[in-house]
Amino acid sequence: KAGVTQTPRYLIKTRGQQVTLSCSPISGHRSVSWYQQTPGQGLQFLFEYFSETQRNKGNFPGRFSGRQFSNSRSEMNVSTLELGDSALYLCASSSEPTGANQPQHFGDGTRLSIL
Amino acid sequence: AQRVTQPEKLLSVFKGAPVELKCNYSYSGSPELFWYVQYSRQRLQLLLRHISRESIKGFTADLNKGETSFHLKKPFAQEEDSAMYYCALRTGGGNKLTFGTGTQLKVEL
Repeated sequence: KAGVTQTPRYLIKTRGQQVTLSCSPISGHRSVSWYQQTPGQGLQFLFEYFSETQRNKGNFPGRFSGRQFSNSRSEMNVSTLELGDSALYLCASSSEPTGANQPQHFGDGTRLSIL
Repeated sequence: AQRVTQPEKLLSVFKGAPVELKCNYSYSGSPELFWYVQYSRQRLQLLLRHISRESIKGFTADLNKGETSFHLKKPFAQEEDSAMYYCALRTGGGNKLTFGTGTQLKVEL
């Protein structure tokens, strides 16, 4: 089985622009979660989608949004980019939305740099 | 609010020595705890989950609700154990994980 795939791997944007990141989960996985990783704040939960519905949301401003398609692929969008949005954005998929026996599988991430 | 604390940013041990990576959590409900590991140039991957009570690569972790801890232990460290280790807490429904800041384990020869 192919793992979680995130595209693009690297992205450079300038302040004020917007960006869309993509995540393809493992085949058959319907839950997709997004995390932001920075040296200062570590790994922080952004949101989770299951069956095209947002199930959980972290403490990020409304500039951060996401969606999930019927094939479980997910995108996250960040509008009006700020320098502090520079981070590694990780996507994780799981076969179920909950349940301790269903671990999350992480992708390699998209490294976003804001100039 | 839930919180996960990993007090050590870096832990350096010699090969063959015992390892203990500390993790404490704060959560009023019933916790689900995990250890994730990231080896150099690899993606984050699950190492252990408390509910399985398993030993993976010689590592074990016991949930101590009284001390709100989930320390990761291995009796004899190996060079290949060098990696970044994250403790994570899942709360409520869904897959929201709260991560600690991570501990870099370095096993020296």
